[in-house]
Amino acid sequence: QKEVEQNSGPLSVPEGAIASLNCTYSDRVSQSFFWYRQYSGKSPELIMSIYSNGDKEDGRFTAQLNKASQYVSLLIRDSQPSDSATYLCAVTTGNTPLVFGKGTRLSVIA
Amino acid sequence: DTGVSQDPRHKITKRGQNVTFRCDPISEHNRLYWYRQTLGQGPEFLTYFQNEAQLEKSRLLSDRFSAERPKGSFSTLEIQRTEQGDSAMYLCASSFQPTEAFFGQGTRLTVV
Repeated sequence: QKEVEQNSGPLSVPEGAIASLNCTYSDRVSQSFFWYRQYSGKSPELIMSIYSNGDKEDGRFTAQLNKASQYVSLLIRDSQPSDSATYLCAVTTGNTPLVFGKGTRLSVIA
Repeated sequence: DTGVSQDPRHKITKRGQNVTFRCDPISEHNRLYWYRQTLGQGPEFLTYFQNEAQLEKSRLLSDRFSAERPKGSFSTLEIQRTEQGDSAMYLCASSFQPTEAFFGQGTRLTVV
């Protein structure tokens, strides 16, 4: 059973702080890793993808991947109230559909 | 709008009725996925297509569920003899090969 684990939260951070979201996965042959943002009542929106070990930065978002530890994280710098949402981690081997975690609910307090 | 399109956005049906949802993927995408999501949970995989071939179905998918993708274009998901437990958001996503998948707005099903 392929599993993706996330802390369900809620994770509360003050406006302007760094939010750190974590995800672990069970399938060692996983190759591709994604972070989706989902606002309440809406569908998931892709915000980051990462395929190799290390960091990948895109604006205020940084994805970090450590395949040896089977760990992927998302950092959100200068958090804004508009970042308040559920963040979903998704993993695939490349030949299988995305497997999602349950998501971490982030609340940015103004 | 060139994104993934789903229809209808909302569906209320009585228990025991059949429902059908449609998904139009991004035009150049050859993979199409169906997921189901309930409150507080991540999307749960149902089935996926590569072009017109249905490559995988979740073991959780009962015989009441069927999906098609004729000619490798749009897809339909049918639920027969709906049950209250089928109430959920049904999400469609598409991708080009195993790369980033993009979701439609979803169809929210309520079975009463």
